Amino acid sequence: QKEVEQNSGPLSVPEGAIASLNCTYSDRGSQSFFWYRQYSGKSPELIMFIYSNGDKEDGRFTAQLNKASQYVSLLIRDSQPSDSATYLCAVHNYGQNFVFGPGTRLSVLP
Amino acid sequence: DVKVTQSSRYLVKRTGEKVFLECVQDMDHENMFWYRQDPGLGLRLIYFSYDVKMKEKGDIPEGYSVSREKKERFSLILESASTNQTSMYLCASWGFGQPQHFGDGTRLSIL
Repeated sequence: QKEVEQNSGPLSVPEGAIASLNCTYSDRGSQSFFWYRQYSGKSPELIMFIYSNGDKEDGRFTAQLNKASQYVSLLIRDSQPSDSATYLCAVHNYGQNFVFGPGTRLSVLP
Repeated sequence: DVKVTQSSRYLVKRTGEKVFLECVQDMDHENMFWYRQDPGLGLRLIYFSYDVKMKEKGDIPEGYSVSREKKERFSLILESASTNQTSMYLCASWGFGQPQHFGDGTRLSIL
């Protein structure tokens, strides 16, 4: 059973701080990695994806991938109250289905 | 931008009814998925389809069926709705080399 693990949280950070969200996965053959943001009562919205080891930056978001450690993270700089949501990590190995983590609930305190 | 449209945002049905949830995508994707999401249980895959008229069971197919008569449309059917099928239902679409994109979801209540 392929698994994706995340701390359920809640992770609380003050406004303006860096939020660090972590994800580990069991399938060593995984090739694509995604971060989704989900507000309460809404559907998941893609915010970042990464395919190669290292960092990928998009505005205030940075995704970090370490395939050797089977670890992917999302950093949110200058966190805002509007970033308060559940963040889902998803992992994909071509030819197989996506595997989603349970999500980490982030709370950014004003 | 990928657009995945689910027919209803909120739906209330009665136990024993046959329920249809519709999903349409506009990106010519081969792959479509139905999930349900419940508090504490995360996203669970019900059925998926990799081509027209093709369907595969996911992790929790019991009590559900699907139909994919056209590439852009993937329907989820609750054959005889039960209260334990009250949930948020999410449709997703995927093209090779791309992320999955989700519809807005249908919050279904079975009374």
